[in-house]
Amino acid sequence: NAGVMQNPRHLVRRRGQEARLRCSPMKGHSHVYWYRQLPEEGLKFMVYLQKENIIDESGMPKERFSAEFPKEGPSILRIQQVVRGDSAAYFCASSLLLAAEAFFGQGTRLTVV
Amino acid sequence: TQLLEQSPQFLSIQEGENLTVYCNSSSVFSSLQWYRQEPGEGPVLLVTVVTGGEVKKLKRLTFQFGDARKDSSLHITAAQPGDTGLYLCAGAQTSGSRLTFGEGTQLTVNP
Repeated sequence: NAGVMQNPRHLVRRRGQEARLRCSPMKGHSHVYWYRQLPEEGLKFMVYLQKENIIDESGMPKERFSAEFPKEGPSILRIQQVVRGDSAAYFCASSLLLAAEAFFGQGTRLTVV
Repeated sequence: TQLLEQSPQFLSIQEGENLTVYCNSSSVFSSLQWYRQEPGEGPVLLVTVVTGGEVKKLKRLTFQFGDARKDSSLHITAAQPGDTGLYLCAGAQTSGSRLTFGEGTQLTVNP
């Protein structure tokens, strides 16, 4: 019974490149959350999606960041034209029901050089 | 302002000591979760509490949900170095659509 799978675990990008982070939720879960975490800090909410719908993107920067959760396939967090300040750990979580307990993946550590 | 306030932010204790971590809010939550995160890993769910006044025990860990469902506490008895980690509380508001996380309590248990 696989948990939440994120890939890649580590991603290095040069300034100006694009970063694509993938998240496959737990089987049967249709609610996906993305969080960002800086070193020594807590989790900052970015976006909440259900299949094919963005429910709440209030925590996501208006520019360069986008997220999707298609009918088939993983959820994707896309960061265009990355800058050094985008370096962080990005975590995905999934839940079975609306606002129910969430289960996290191991995260993708993005480093922008 | 943070919806969920956790205290203390940092805690360093000796092995064998007891400790309590708090998670407070002015909002009512339909449920509240506690997670533990180790360096380089994702948060791992420890417990979910849903009923006001509820107390749940997980070995040496005791979780309590306030009567008004606005706050929670985590008490660890006889802490061990393996308890070291970032402890996060998260709540689902009764009228909300997503989980909200506190800033976390970084616990270090020294041998």
